[in-house]
Amino acid sequence: DAGITQSPRHKVTETGTPVTLRCHQTENHRYMYWYRQDPGHGLRLIHYSYGVKDTDKGEVSDGYSVSRSKTEDFLLTLESATSSQTSVYFCAISGDWTSQYFGPGTRLLVL
Amino acid sequence: DQQVKQNSPSLSVQEGRISILNCDYTNSMFDYFLWYKKYPAEGPTFLISISSIKDKNEDGRFTVFLNKSAKHLSLHIVPSQPGDSAVYFCAAQTSGNTPLVFGKGTRLSVIA
Repeated sequence: DAGITQSPRHKVTETGTPVTLRCHQTENHRYMYWYRQDPGHGLRLIHYSYGVKDTDKGEVSDGYSVSRSKTEDFLLTLESATSSQTSVYFCAISGDWTSQYFGPGTRLLVL
Repeated sequence: DQQVKQNSPSLSVQEGRISILNCDYTNSMFDYFLWYKKYPAEGPTFLISISSIKDKNEDGRFTVFLNKSAKHLSLHIVPSQPGDSAVYFCAAQTSGNTPLVFGKGTRLSVIA
């Protein structure tokens, strides 16, 4: 299995609070991605990174920001969490644009 | 506008029979297609892929067929096993270093 971890694995927070999710890889892969999975929507790309400090928006980026200061870490921040951001968040990594390996997911509940 | 469509949210199949999961796409620029499998409380895992220069790719019990003219691909699992029960996501990509686009998934239940 690819060396990819996500933290925390579960989080409950209140509306309006900032939340940061961390993705850590030990594979030295160039590309990293953040997705959210919701019933009826499948996997939707939030943001992705193609190198340190190089990031771009995905399909559902509003309300989210990312940072990648090191190859191994990709952070996803919800600046002010809303109930619509209750979801399961998956990080993925890849050495090229295909063959993505996914982390175990973070289940986020915004009350 | 959904570019990758999995129109069947769920599918039930008896153990030992064939499972056929379907996927349609609208973007004719897609040239690489993948299937991922996801168990509850786990991340998706890569299953099988196919390039647009092929119309079939096989890996053990799993075969993916691509019909470019119909913009349709399918995943065949033969024989189906209870451990195949999972959500299957179809994904597609254009060439030139672009992110994957995923469908909404199909939940497969293999009944013993």
